[in-house]
Amino acid sequence: GQQVMQIPQYQHVQEGEDFTTYCNSSTTLSNIQWYKQRPGGHPVFLIQLVKSGEVKKQKRLTFQFGEAKKNSSLHITATQTTDVGTYFCAGRPQGGSEKLVFGKGTKLTVNP
Amino acid sequence: GAGVSQTPSNKVTEKGKYVELRCDPISGHTALYWYRQSLGQGPEFLIYFQGTGAADDSGLPNDRFFAVRPEGSVSTLKIQRTERGDSAVYLCASTTTGGIGELFFGEGSRLTVL
Repeated sequence: GQQVMQIPQYQHVQEGEDFTTYCNSSTTLSNIQWYKQRPGGHPVFLIQLVKSGEVKKQKRLTFQFGEAKKNSSLHITATQTTDVGTYFCAGRPQGGSEKLVFGKGTKLTVNP
Repeated sequence: GAGVSQTPSNKVTEKGKYVELRCDPISGHTALYWYRQSLGQGPEFLIYFQGTGAADDSGLPNDRFFAVRPEGSVSTLKIQRTERGDSAVYLCASTTTGGIGELFFGEGSRLTVL
């Protein structure tokens, strides 16, 4: 079945440093979404990417969808302590079910 | 209510018992998802409803797990003969469009099987 892999599993940075997490799917995706989960909380939607090669920005966050629609990345510039949490990518397989398959996430900690 | 509501928030049960977890989605959302999340892991897909029907139940781990959504709104996840390995947070999410929409998650039901 479809698998979504994320690296790294953990990332610890100093406040102000940049952070990137990478997501790779075993199958071509129709779209990919990113979620953030704070400790003790539930996943909260950040963004959706649909088009091949798409790049979207939200303030300090930049999201990319690969040309082959099998990989994606999230980059945070100048991290802040409020960025702490686990970031998940989640992909929908192309031409198949509408289920959304999540990666295992990247847990980000920020040292003030 | 304004968001997805899940009850109970916490359930402790003994091995072998039957458990029901309830999800009340956002009003008007036609699609409803159930996920299971173990500590340190990502949400694991269980089942997806479009209206009253289960459009994809490929994530249900075995026949002890069953979910219904009889009127296309509230859904119940049912687990028979619970095992210790079933302990996890069970998350419910709803969305308007199913195929392309963002998921709105509830706070989850934490199940502990002793």
